[in-house]
Order: sequence, then structure tokens, then C-alpha cells
Amino acid sequence: AQSVSQHNHHVILSEAASLELGCNYSYGGTVNLFWYVQYPGQHLQLLLKYFSGDPLVKGIKGFEAEFIKSKFSFNLRKPSVQWSDTAEYFCALLTGGGNKLTFGTGTQLKVEL
Amino acid sequence: DGGITQSPKYLFRKEGQNVTLSCEQNLNHDAMYWYRQDPGQGLRLIYYSQIVNDFQKGDIAEGYSVSREKKESFPLTVTSAQKNPTAFYLCASSPLDRDNYGYTFGSGTRLTVV
Repeated sequence: AQSVSQHNHHVILSEAASLELGCNYSYGGTVNLFWYVQYPGQHLQLLLKYFSGDPLVKGIKGFEAEFIKSKFSFNLRKPSVQWSDTAEYFCALLTGGGNKLTFGTGTQLKVEL
Repeated sequence: DGGITQSPKYLFRKEGQNVTLSCEQNLNHDAMYWYRQDPGQGLRLIYYSQIVNDFQKGDIAEGYSVSREKKESFPLTVTSAQKNPTAFYLCASSPLDRDNYGYTFGSGTRLTVV
């Protein structure tokens, strides 16, 4: 069965620091990958997704992620975080023949002023 | 505006009682999903449905039931058989075509068993 691993459970950064959140998946076939964000008190919303083509995907609010097939990874990056990026971030996997998302356990990001 | 509406936002239930959580969408999405969110465990799939009058069990379906009588609605019943029902429940929907696939989430229902 497929799975998603997010090894960083809690991350604390200062404003303007660079961010990289890890996401690794376990599945041997075609995959589609997603990052969702949950700001405090708000519903989950899509940051970006990879389906095919350029493995470097750009999303909203300056976030990007790179799909590295050989490493089974889809890490999320942002060059300079802001206090407003404080949120929980979830990586999710859709397998080639699948019709539902498998989520990682999430990473709590806290950005300090 | 199109979206997903979950109600109520907070729900308290006594042990031994069944309770139904509402989820309605006006996005014309074919697929609907119920997840449970617990701290440190991410989102775990309870049930999902791709078409009216059909649904499939997810990873943690025991103690839950659903129905899909209308495309817009996918209510979840938490039964007394669910051993640890206190959690945050999220409903989502998605189109099924690959080019547009991606969940839209509701704002969630927080269920507390007292």
C-alpha cells in the first residue's frame, strides 16, 4: 500500500529564513503529488500540485516543490518565510490508478518575528 | 460562491449515542470524502464516494456509516461502535478527471464525546 512520510513534525524558523519541508512517498508506479496548508482556524487549502511535466512546481504565496522521482520525494520550499506562513503543512499522494489522496502526518511550521 | 459546507462546527455527544455530521457541496464534484484529523496522525480516510448511491470504505471505516443519496450531500454517521470518536472531521470533494483533480475541503466539525 502507498504511504507518505513527513519527517519534520515541528519546524520553527525566524522570519526571512529559508524553508524546506520534507515529503517522501512509497509507491512504485505513476504518482501525482500535492501540498496542502492549514492556517490556524482555517480550512485546508491547496498550495500546489504535480501531475506531469516540469518537476519544479510553483504554487501560491511563493511556495514551490520539486518532484525527484529517483528519491521518491516532493519537498516543499520557500526562499524567505513570513510570520503569516505559520501553519500546518500536509503532503499528499494520488496513485496512478487511484481516486483518493493519502496524506502524510503533517508538519507544524511556526515562524517567529 | 461555490464550496463545501460542514455542519455543525462543534458537536457534543454522550457515549452510546449515534450522531450525524452534515456535508454539502455546490461545486458539482463527483467525488466526496470523509477524513478524520487527529494531532500527529494527519488525515485518515473514513469513507469516500465517486457516484450517487455508491461508496467505499477507507482505512478507518469501522464504527462509521455514510450515504450518498444526492450528488451534493455526503453525511457521515458516527455510531456508538466507534471506540474513540472524539476528533476533528473533514469533508472534501473533487472532480474525478485527472486534469482538475484536487480536494476542496470544508471547514470541519469537531466532535467531542462527553
